[in-house]
Amino acid sequence: KQEVTQIPAALSVPEGENLVLNCSFTDSAIYNLQWFRQDPGKGLTSLLLIQSSQREQTSGRLNASLDKSSGRSTLYIAASQPGDSATYLCAATAGNMLTFGGGTRLMVKP
Amino acid sequence: EAEVAQSPRYKITEKSQAVAFWCDPISGHATLYWYRQILGQGPELLVQFQDESVVDDSQLPKDRFSAERLKGVDSTLKIQPAELGDSAMYLCASSRRLAEYNEQFFGPGTRLTVL
Repeated sequence: KQEVTQIPAALSVPEGENLVLNCSFTDSAIYNLQWFRQDPGKGLTSLLLIQSSQREQTSGRLNASLDKSSGRSTLYIAASQPGDSATYLCAATAGNMLTFGGGTRLMVKP
Repeated sequence: EAEVAQSPRYKITEKSQAVAFWCDPISGHATLYWYRQILGQGPELLVQFQDESVVDDSQLPKDRFSAERLKGVDSTLKIQPAELGDSAMYLCASSRRLAEYNEQFFGPGTRLTVL
């Protein structure tokens, strides 16, 4: 059974810092790895999807990498802003199942 | 921009009552998912449909939960009777098809509180 872990569970940084969120998964036979953002009490917004054949994806200040052999993905946020404050979830797809990590709650202080 | 629609956004009910949630996926999306997210945790899949057929409902508590997608478009998730432990966010998602690269798009969710 796939297990997805996110570290740290919570992170507080001052505005302007570059930061890295970590995601690890136990079953390397994944089809893709997806990063989501969730604001309090809201649904999930897809940020980046990395297919199993890819190493990384970039969107604006966000860069996500995937290392299937080590079972790891990272989400890099450059020049963080208070508007980036949210919970970030990673999810691995294997078979027909999308398995989520517990999320990292990020707070960016002005 | 096409979005997944869900209603109601919030529901408060007493235990032992029946509740129902509705989801309308993005037009043309054949696959529909219902997830439950307990506060502070990641979402967990309850049931997955391909068109009108159930693909996976192994995590659905079938003694009290039921889900249907009769015409292969919108879907209803029902809980009867509701229990205190059912308090959670219920998320609906859809994707184009059941395939390897199935990017899922999520709705705003229904926040259920059982008193």
